[in-house]
Amino acid sequence: DAKTTQPPSMDCAEGRAANLPCNHSTISGNEYVYWYRQIHSQGPQYIIHGLKNNETNEMASLIITEDRKSSTLILPHATLRDTAVYYCIVRVDTGNQFYFGTGTSLTVIP
Amino acid sequence: EPEVTQTPSHQVTQMGQEVILRCVPISNHLYFYWYRQILGQKVEFLVSFYNNEISEKSEIFDDQFSVERPDGSNFTLKIRSTKLEDSAMYFCASSDRDFPKEEQYFGPGTRLTVT
Repeated sequence: DAKTTQPPSMDCAEGRAANLPCNHSTISGNEYVYWYRQIHSQGPQYIIHGLKNNETNEMASLIITEDRKSSTLILPHATLRDTAVYYCIVRVDTGNQFYFGTGTSLTVIP
Repeated sequence: EPEVTQTPSHQVTQMGQEVILRCVPISNHLYFYWYRQILGQKVEFLVSFYNNEISEKSEIFDDQFSVERPDGSNFTLKIRSTKLEDSAMYFCASSDRDFPKEEQYFGPGTRLTVT
C-alpha cells in the first residue's frame, strides 16, 4: 500500500523554510496528494492537499511537479512547534482510506 | 476552535474483555473514522462511517470490532473480546466533506492497554 517515498528524517533551523520532499511516481490522474503531521503521540493534523496546482494555506505551501510524480511541502518559517512526523499520502482513487506511511521526522533546531 | 474529543484517554483492560472507546466528533461533521497506531508503528485505518453505516473498512476491522453512532453526538468503537495485540492508540477523526475535499480532524486518542 506504500505509494509514496519520503526521507526518514530531516533537520531545519528555526526561522528557516523547511522543504519536505515526497516521491509518488505511480500516482494516477485522479489521485490527490495530502499532507498530515503528527506531533509526538498526538492525533495526526491535516496540513494541506492538492491535485496538480500548487496550493497555499496559512500553514504551508504544496508544490507539485508538472508530471505529478513528486511534491514538496514547504513550511515557510519553521518553529520549534513544527517538530513532528510529516506524512505525504496519495489518496486511493476509491474509498475513504488514508494509508499513512512512515513519514519524515522533522526536527527544528534552535 | 472546534475539536474532536475522545474518552477515556487511557483504558486498561484484561484480555477477553469488551471495551468501548468513545468519541465526540465536531458537531457539523458527517463523516467519521477510526484509526489505530501500535506503539512505534504506522497509523492504520480501521473504518469509515457515514449516514449511519460503514462506508469502508480495512482488513484489521474484523468481527471483533463494531462502530456505532448511538445519538447525535457520540461515535463509538467497540472491541468485543480484546486481545493483547489490540494494545494501541486509537484515534477518532471526523470530516464535514467527502473525498477529495475532505480534511480529517483527529482527536487526541485513547491509549488501550490489554493485559
